Amino acid sequence: AQTVTQSQPEMSVQEAETVTLSCTYDTSESDYYLFWYKQPPSRQMILVIRQEAYKQQNATENRFSVNFQKAAKSFSLKISDSQLGDAAMYFCAYRRYSGNTPLVFGKGTRLSVIA
Amino acid sequence: NAGVTQTPKFQVLKTGQSMTLQCAQDMNHEYMSWYRQDPGMGLRLIHYSVGAGITDQGEVPNGYNVSRSTTEDFPLRLLSAAPSQTSVYFCASSYSGRSYGYTFGSGTRLTVV
Repeated sequence: AQTVTQSQPEMSVQEAETVTLSCTYDTSESDYYLFWYKQPPSRQMILVIRQEAYKQQNATENRFSVNFQKAAKSFSLKISDSQLGDAAMYFCAYRRYSGNTPLVFGKGTRLSVIA
Repeated sequence: NAGVTQTPKFQVLKTGQSMTLQCAQDMNHEYMSWYRQDPGMGLRLIHYSVGAGITDQGEVPNGYNVSRSTTEDFPLRLLSAAPSQTSVYFCASSYSGRSYGYTFGSGTRLTVV
């Protein structure tokens, strides 16, 4: 079974600085999808960024980018120019390419942004 | 607005009571699922469905039932509530294409006393 590990339960960053959240996963598949979700205090789950494993180019969405290392099974999220609104729980998630399979989530990293 | 609608947002149950958490989506998504979120545990899959009439168990299915009679609705039933079922419950849906992430409902905070 696939597993997703987020080794940093909590992180903090100064406003306007850059922070990287770590995620590793375990799979025997060669094709799959990876996601980062943000959960602010409102509890809503918001998709931040996605990465297809067959694409070598790292995904980028405005201030959010990933470092996808397929051989190392690593999928870290970099937040640049951190803002107070970035404070939230961040979840890394994995989905198999084949079959109708559900998302598998890591346990999350709580990010605090210090003004 | 299109999306996933969960009701209720908050609920308090007594041990042994039963209830149904409602989930509806209007995006014609084939795939729907239920997760529970507990502190330090992330989101764990309870049940999921790949289409009307088709359901399957996830990681933590005990104490919960589901059915999918229509594409739009995917209710989660607690048969006899226990304090261990105190949690935040999320319903999510997606197209069957795997590149899509899920669209989540706003969650239900359930407390069993």
